[in-house]
Amino acid sequence: GAVVSQHPSRVICKSGTSVKIECRSLDFQATTMFWYRQFPKKSLMLMATSNEGSKATYEQGVEKDKFLINHASLTLSTLTVTSAHPEDSSFYICSSRRQGDEQYFGPGTRLTVT
Amino acid sequence: GQNIDQPTEMTATEGAIVQINCTYQTSGFNGLFWYQQHAGEAPTFLSYNVLDGLEEKGRFSSFLSRSKGYSYLLLKELQMKDSASYLCAVSGSARQLTFGSGTQLTVLP
Repeated sequence: GAVVSQHPSRVICKSGTSVKIECRSLDFQATTMFWYRQFPKKSLMLMATSNEGSKATYEQGVEKDKFLINHASLTLSTLTVTSAHPEDSSFYICSSRRQGDEQYFGPGTRLTVT
Repeated sequence: GQNIDQPTEMTATEGAIVQINCTYQTSGFNGLFWYQQHAGEAPTFLSYNVLDGLEEKGRFSSFLSRSKGYSYLLLKELQMKDSASYLCAVSGSARQLTFGSGTQLTVLP
């Protein structure tokens, strides 16, 4: 069964609104979860590392005030896209890491900003 | 920094064998992953290599040479359902994954 879930799977929002995406680690507690975005026919790009109980670590070029990450528990991380614009339309994927290196990916969230 | 290269596209015939290469240059190395991704879906784990050599798992095998910064994914007895994007990803010093651009494999009947 699924190890990581994401909600919603698809969301369409109007420009200027905010959207929250949830990522849940179902089978294990994850102190570290990751958020990626993927443009069509492109590879995954790491946006940020979400650490339970502390601030997220953002990759270079990712605006932390625009992409708010909250990792309030060992099984839940949320990504909020604030004041979304059409260029934020993308496939957002989270993953959680068990002990060791393997990451388990969520099914992804397709965000469309109109 | 990290630099990962893999071919953009490959085509093969059903029942054949295909090898997808990946070369990497990284500042830290904690293993190399191969993932399969169908369009519109999340990546699914295929293999993990941290030591040199070949790891075999059914129809899929993965090879690693750390001294050469090189890996390949070998797919045998290709099936139509194997048409997908194959992503090479390196785990760096902080254990975050850096992905290559992906190889789009098309399996023809």
